[in-house]
Amino acid sequence: GAGVSQTPSNKVTEKGKYVELRCDPISGHTALYWYRQSLGQGPEFLIYFQGTGAADDSGLPNDRFFAVRPEGSVSTLKIQRTERGDSAVYLCASSSPAGGGNTGELFFGEGSRLTVL
Amino acid sequence: QKEVEQNSGPLSVPEGAIASLNCTYSDRVSQSFFWYRQYSGKSPELIMSIYSNGDKEDGRFTAQLNKASQYVSLLIRDSQPSDSATYLCAGSGGSNYKLTFGKGTLLTVNP
Repeated sequence: GAGVSQTPSNKVTEKGKYVELRCDPISGHTALYWYRQSLGQGPEFLIYFQGTGAADDSGLPNDRFFAVRPEGSVSTLKIQRTERGDSAVYLCASSSPAGGGNTGELFFGEGSRLTVL
Repeated sequence: QKEVEQNSGPLSVPEGAIASLNCTYSDRVSQSFFWYRQYSGKSPELIMSIYSNGDKEDGRFTAQLNKASQYVSLLIRDSQPSDSATYLCAGSGGSNYKLTFGKGTLLTVNP
């Protein structure tokens, strides 16, 4: 596709449920990032993939959060036992090999808005 | 001090005026700096990057960096209503993939 695609765009779930958020990066972009943005805040780093491996997962808040990118393209962010505090917009971004690490130019998707009731 | 701090505003300027957006940062994110624009309900979009002291101009936008004062700013000349958005300042500590964002400043340009 032309840009970073994220699904679902909106997800409402109940406390304690499991959710998966999907990201399809720009074709050819090897780097993929997940950020989380709460209302009135800037995006907060969660995890960075270079290819299939998680190069840096230091931003994941706890072990309820996990992300995979098995074939080096699509990524899934998984949240177990959701809590009301997990409610936020989850942004995925990708960058080209020449961008990202060199220029900080991340191309963001429109985000998945998660609401935990 | 938070790693990246911005005045959350809102900042309101008349059309055609200069809008000045400011950001301060801590030592941990002192390598490279970026300004992203985020329209309401949309994703952030990179508009400027700056790596060394001084000014960098791109069209109506000028980014300014002063590492001694740990201060970075964005000037928007001839502001247009279409510039109305939240402007996010971000810094990195050497690995540009891991950006630390400020809260953003909401700019409104009044026709």
